[in-house]
Amino acid sequence: DTAVSQTPKYLVTQMGNDKSIKCEQNLGHDTMYWYKQDSKKFLKIMFSYNNKELIINETVPNRFSPKSPDKAHLNLHINSLELGDSAVYFCASSQDYEREGKKLFFGSGTQLSVL
Amino acid sequence: AQKVTQAQTEISVVEKEDVTLDCVYETRDTTYYLFWYKQPPSGELVFLIRRNSFDEQNEISGRYSWNFQKSTSSFNFTITASQVVDSAVYFCALSATGGFKTIFGAGTRLFVKA
Repeated sequence: DTAVSQTPKYLVTQMGNDKSIKCEQNLGHDTMYWYKQDSKKFLKIMFSYNNKELIINETVPNRFSPKSPDKAHLNLHINSLELGDSAVYFCASSQDYEREGKKLFFGSGTQLSVL
Repeated sequence: AQKVTQAQTEISVVEKEDVTLDCVYETRDTTYYLFWYKQPPSGELVFLIRRNSFDEQNEISGRYSWNFQKSTSSFNFTITASQVVDSAVYFCALSATGGFKTIFGAGTRLFVKA
């Protein structure tokens, strides 16, 4: 069983379109995240949710709207896609137990290409 | 503010050489975690190690070892007798103990040639 699964793996779309990426974790973790990795491999946090509540929004444009229907899911909807949105988006989860302590479990990533 | 600096953008070594990846961090938090993650060419992000700020003991796991020095705010990673399969981008990361954000360094791309 995949611990953190995100779909789709690849997303190719035209500028101006709206798209969604889904993420699910079966680890029972309370915290989920979206990270963006650009072409230079910089990994930057976008959002973090704890128990379905938005905790961190790292000055991400309003076109990006995360939604967490329950603790196990964190989806990312992007409106009016722009060329600069092309990147790999990673979903992750973590738990704050001493044993796990903020260790991130990542999904396999979604390669978004905006044409 | 938190910051992680990996000054080495790319390192190229020949198989069996030892290589050290540097990581320097900045934080005002008194308790925090430090991490190393590996991203092989296939693209997934793989956890390697977590170190609590209270624990400055060095750690060895097979060919991998980590040197945590609070006095110099460094958490360096050494691969002994490197192998081609070690070729990847390696990220150092920092998270405050009570926070909900892990920040990453820019990564060091390691090429190991046969």
